[in-house]
Amino acid sequence: EVQLVETGGGLIQPGGSLRLSCAASGFTVSSNYMSWVRQAPGKGLEWVSSIYSGGNTYYADSVKGRFTISRDSSKNTLYLQMNSLRPEDTAVYYCAGDTSGYSVGFQHWGQGTLVTVSS
Amino acid sequence: DIQMTQSPSSLSASVGDRVTITCRASQSISSYLNWYQQKPGKAPKLLIYAASSLQSGVPSRFSGSGSGTDFTLTISSLQPEDFATYYCQQSSRIPLTFGGGTKVEIK
Repeated sequence: EVQLVETGGGLIQPGGSLRLSCAASGFTVSSNYMSWVRQAPGKGLEWVSSIYSGGNTYYADSVKGRFTISRDSSKNTLYLQMNSLRPEDTAVYYCAGDTSGYSVGFQHWGQGTLVTVSS
Repeated sequence: DIQMTQSPSSLSASVGDRVTITCRASQSISSYLNWYQQKPGKAPKLLIYAASSLQSGVPSRFSGSGSGTDFTLTISSLQPEDFATYYCQQSSRIPLTFGGGTKVEIK
């Protein structure tokens, strides 16, 4: 069974840093297309970042230069390093995986981890 | 960026009703259109991928259609567990973008 478990969220002051982790089981992170998607309180879904199996990474303009997506094959884990955090980054962050190989949506989602940026 | 516009933003319906939600892309995305269902406090769940393919395990009352810029999600006979928010998402190009969501409420 495929499972994604996010950790690392919490309350952080503006300008601070956090690293989110997404531990996967049932499939190999490094062989699949993985992404982070966030949802601000009461709002819709917003794509944040993606990493392809080949290692190419992509970011939303709103986080480019501040966030870094990466993965650790030995731990089968996806990460999101978030620096220079702003109040508008407050959201539930989901990791999501597309194991189809055809960019046809995210079949697998974690439960989400809440990041609150506030002084 | 490709803008995704969903309509309506909310609707009220009764159990057994046929429900249709539309999604329009600001430019052609071929069939790279996916639909998700999200219930409060839960992660989204993929329902339909590639515009019209039913994700494994999803009931057959859900269906999708369309290509290019105009797409539709249909629930043929609304069930109590279908009351949720639905999002479309284009996977044609980066940045990936979602529609604003359609909240389906009980009439």
